[in-house]
Amino acid sequence: DAKTTQPPSMDCAEGRAANLPCNHSTISGNEYVYWYRQIHSQGPQYIIHGLKNNETNEMASLIITEDRKSSTLILPHATLRDTAVYYCIVRVGGGNAGNMLTFGGGTRLMVKP
Amino acid sequence: GAVVSQHPSWVICKSGTSVKIECRSLDFQATTMFWYRQFPKQSLMLMATSNEGSKATYEQGVEKDKFLINHASLTLSTLTVTSAHPEDSSFYICSANTLRGLAVFGPGTRLTVL
Repeated sequence: DAKTTQPPSMDCAEGRAANLPCNHSTISGNEYVYWYRQIHSQGPQYIIHGLKNNETNEMASLIITEDRKSSTLILPHATLRDTAVYYCIVRVGGGNAGNMLTFGGGTRLMVKP
Repeated sequence: GAVVSQHPSWVICKSGTSVKIECRSLDFQATTMFWYRQFPKQSLMLMATSNEGSKATYEQGVEKDKFLINHASLTLSTLTVTSAHPEDSSFYICSANTLRGLAVFGPGTRLTVL
């Protein structure tokens, strides 16, 4: 799986958009970009994933650059409950149930009032 | 949506005893489940891949005789920490992949060995 690089920490004001970057310059053509977050003392929670098109769901938006070497997770209106460690993971997607996720250091997002 | 549960959510045991942690996929079947370990202020580290009906695959450096994994059904995998010691104290998390390949994580089990 391709390695990802994320800033170790970020702050965001409550109510503002949080933009979390991720570099994955060695991504392969069949690898997806997945985002998970981990709130303190809980298991990781799935947020969103994409292959090459931008994606949006009820939690966030994912913007992937045209060359797919980087992406940005956007939380449009951050709340205090969004304070967590956010992990960007690149992995072959699809129905292969045997693929595990490899976690890097992630970005610790602190949402401040 | 797909849900994975773990039991217990926390456990305290004496050094030298064994502890069993259960991981269940509640509304889907999983031929493969994964066990991770997380130490304070660190990221998740994959320990082993649990395969239904066959032996688990362990990551380098993880003792298979110490961390026993049993995946007896398509919805249940268990991790037994044998002869636990204080250095085994950690947050243990399991995950299972849905048919679409989406990894769903359990809430984690915090193990404290005295």
